[in-house]
Amino acid sequence: EVQLLISGGGLVQPGGSLTLSCAASGFTFSSYAMNWVRQAPGKWLEWVSAMSASGSSTYYGDSVKGRFTISRDNSKNTLFLQMDSLRAEDTAVYYCVKASSGWYRGSWFDSWGQGTLVTVSS
Amino acid sequence: QSVLTQPPSASGTPGQRVTISCSGSNSNIANTYVHWYQQLPGTAPKLLIYRNDQRPSGVPDRFSGSKSGTSASLAIGGLRSEDEADYYCAAWDDSLMFGGGTKLTVL
Repeated sequence: EVQLLISGGGLVQPGGSLTLSCAASGFTFSSYAMNWVRQAPGKWLEWVSAMSASGSSTYYGDSVKGRFTISRDNSKNTLFLQMDSLRAEDTAVYYCVKASSGWYRGSWFDSWGQGTLVTVSS
Repeated sequence: QSVLTQPPSASGTPGQRVTISCSGSNSNIANTYVHWYQQLPGTAPKLLIYRNDQRPSGVPDRFSGSKSGTSASLAIGGLRSEDEADYYCAAWDDSLMFGGGTKLTVL
């Protein structure tokens, strides 16, 4: 069974930083692209960032480009999202999501973590 | 405002068939697959339909998907109270786009 356990969410002040971690199990982590998807309160889903299976390719949405950094440690089956210069509009539940293949483009998202709330407020 | 347009709400009574639409354009739906996700209240989304009309194992055949041109649809037959959820379509454009979501109410 695929499990994606997220840690690192919480309250942070505007301009601050936070790192999310996603510990994966139940599949061959190094064979699949991984994603971060967020959902602001009462809003729809937004694809935030992605990384290919090997880590050689990344994607960032326009709203987070230059502020967020995705990374992965295939030896530890863990995905990360480093979030800097946080803004109030980054407040959302962040989901760690497994792609259906090693390349995120064109894939679908077949397993989702439980989500963690990130609140940016003073 | 999402690139993929869904009705904000839909409803039906138990046993009914309900259809949720997802409207896009030639740059997304017309040229790629559409996927559907179900988000039960207070939970993470779950893959419901992939590649327009494929069901992952464990998804009942009451759920079906279709696509034609720049639009796609999710149909739910034999509606049950546990189907009450938000439903999102998704398709690739320059990036992955999600629809705005449809809240399904079972009356």
